Amino acid sequence: DTAVSQTPKYLVTQMGNDKSIKCEQNLGHDTMYWYKQDSKKFLKIMFSYNNKELIINETVPNRFSPKSPDKAHLNLHINSLELGDSAVYFCASSPFPRAANYGYTFGSGTRLTVV
Amino acid sequence: KNEVEQSPQNLTAQEGEFITINCSYSVGISALHWLQQHPGGGIVSLFMLSSGKKKHGRLIATINIQEKHSSLHITASHPRDSAVYICAAYEGGADGLTFGKGTHLIIQP
Repeated sequence: DTAVSQTPKYLVTQMGNDKSIKCEQNLGHDTMYWYKQDSKKFLKIMFSYNNKELIINETVPNRFSPKSPDKAHLNLHINSLELGDSAVYFCASSPFPRAANYGYTFGSGTRLTVV
Repeated sequence: KNEVEQSPQNLTAQEGEFITINCSYSVGISALHWLQQHPGGGIVSLFMLSSGKKKHGRLIATINIQEKHSSLHITASHPRDSAVYICAAYEGGADGLTFGKGTHLIIQP
């Protein structure tokens, strides 16, 4: 199926651990994003990559490091996890520069719980 | 930076009612998105608008670029429409979306 797929769907881990979330899209889109949804359900952009190049890096702690091995993949690695990192993380993609015409496709989200 | 405001934050209505959710933004945009998030958590893109009006089934979205305002309407609402509806502004390029805080809609049978 054509989609944006994220793994894992759920991730429970202890403080201080390092973890990765993977994202892949087979839509041929040029731009991929990571969004964070906090406990109040508010969504905010974290990173934007266009053809493997970092475009946006919002004020995110440098414990978060995105990695894009190719334009179909954008993984999120988080070092030294903290309680406040608990959230739902969404990957998305869009066909830049035509995103204004063709929109976004979201992954199903990864619920990260740090204990 | 764009400020996106949605209203109402919470809305409970009876099945069959006509629903309107409003969204305003502060800076000119390339497009405005309406998204739906069900309790299961997945986000689905409903509409993307840069002008005028779009209709899909019982859902209608309108945008007024001059007034920086968009509305999402649901006709003949049904309990399965219960979800969080989020508007999001897209300014262009490889920018991400700027989201409103969402409207939590509950349709009672």
